[in-house]
Amino acid sequence: GENVEQHPSTLSVQEGDSAVIKCTYSDSASNYFPWYKQELGKGPQLIIDIRSNVGEKKDQRIAVTLNKTAKHFSLHITETQPEDSAVYFCAASLEYSGGGADGLTFGKGTHLIIQP
Amino acid sequence: GAGVSQTPSNKVTEKGKYVELRCDPISGHTALYWYRQSLGQGPEFLIYFQGTGAADDSGLPNDRFFAVRPEGSVSTLKIQRTERGDSAVYLCASSFGSGANVLTFGAGSRLTVL
Repeated sequence: GENVEQHPSTLSVQEGDSAVIKCTYSDSASNYFPWYKQELGKGPQLIIDIRSNVGEKKDQRIAVTLNKTAKHFSLHITETQPEDSAVYFCAASLEYSGGGADGLTFGKGTHLIIQP
Repeated sequence: GAGVSQTPSNKVTEKGKYVELRCDPISGHTALYWYRQSLGQGPEFLIYFQGTGAADDSGLPNDRFFAVRPEGSVSTLKIQRTERGDSAVYLCASSFGSGANVLTFGAGSRLTVL
């Protein structure tokens, strides 16, 4: 089955600086890669996702890059703000062209701390 | 409702007891998922429903775990003969459409087995 590795486990950055979180996956068939943000006491919230037909996707201060050859994808947050502090999870799965999908396999998470 | 609702938010039980956890998905979402999240870990897939049927139950750890979704909306996760290792947050998520992976998660049910 799929295995997703995520690094670092903890990341502390100064407010206004950029943060990068990296993930690798094992199953070359995986084609859907979402990122979730989880705040204390809440469920994970989707912040951005990418499918394997594109290499990069951006949404305001958040971007995700995908390298299918190397089987890794990264989350980039620019101009970090205190409200970005949370645990971030990457995930991978296979979506079938005819409909249906495998369950998401998540990384272990990165605790992002924004220092004021 | 506006989001995925899970009840109870917290459940403390004794080893060997039976537990039911409930999930109310977003209205109109046909797909429903259960995940389990242990402390300091990412969510772990348990089971996925498309409508009333379990499309994929490969993540259920053993036969003490069972889930139903009889009318294609509310789902119940059932755990028999609970063990201390079952302690975790059980997350429910729903999505619109067949196999769509854009999941909306609930806040979870925290289960503690003493």
